[in-house]
Amino acid sequence: DVKVTQSSRYLVKRTGEKVFLECVQDMDHENMFWYRQDPGLGLRLIYFSYDVKMKEKGDIPEGYSVSREKKERFSLILESASTNQTSMYLCAATGMNTEAFFGQGTRLTVV
Amino acid sequence: AQSVTQLGSHVSVSEGALVLLRCNYSSSVPPYLFWYVQYPNQGLQLLLKYTTGATLVKGINGFEAEFKKSETSFHLTKPSAHMSDAAEYFCAVTGYGGATNKLIFGTGTLLAVQP
Repeated sequence: DVKVTQSSRYLVKRTGEKVFLECVQDMDHENMFWYRQDPGLGLRLIYFSYDVKMKEKGDIPEGYSVSREKKERFSLILESASTNQTSMYLCAATGMNTEAFFGQGTRLTVV
Repeated sequence: AQSVTQLGSHVSVSEGALVLLRCNYSSSVPPYLFWYVQYPNQGLQLLLKYTTGATLVKGINGFEAEFKKSETSFHLTKPSAHMSDAAEYFCAVTGYGGATNKLIFGTGTLLAVQP
């Protein structure tokens, strides 16, 4: 089974801090994704990457950036955290003809 | 570009009744389609997927979905609801190759099952 691991389950950060969320997958999948999940809004795509150093904006990229220097690692960066970025963040990986494999999620609270 | 519309954010059925959760998609390339389920305080679990081939897809827990290209739909059904089916259900679409691999989810449908 593909394993997708997110670096933290829970994070509390202060407004204005730079926040790094890390995601690592162990199965050489091409595609990696960052979503945020909020009640009633489903999973909204922030960014995705279909290859090393390749990235595409999702539906809500404002206030976020990403980095994919190695195939197995996809990092989400909150440049200056704000309270409206309090959410559950989910990382996922897919390969050719495969479903998405998700990490366990990071619940971020910005105070 | 891909997009997904799930009609009905809340659906309530009686135990033993038919479950029908609606999903319509938009895709600029032939789509791959998925249904996921999320139980309270848990992660997303794959129910079923359509990539190519047979348009009627069977999944876990008695669920199935039919890909209808002419209607751009991928509705999820189950003949007889069980109390344990109460959960949130998400439809998702992706393409294949490079930037079309963007995986987009719908806003979800919360299924309640009444005794």
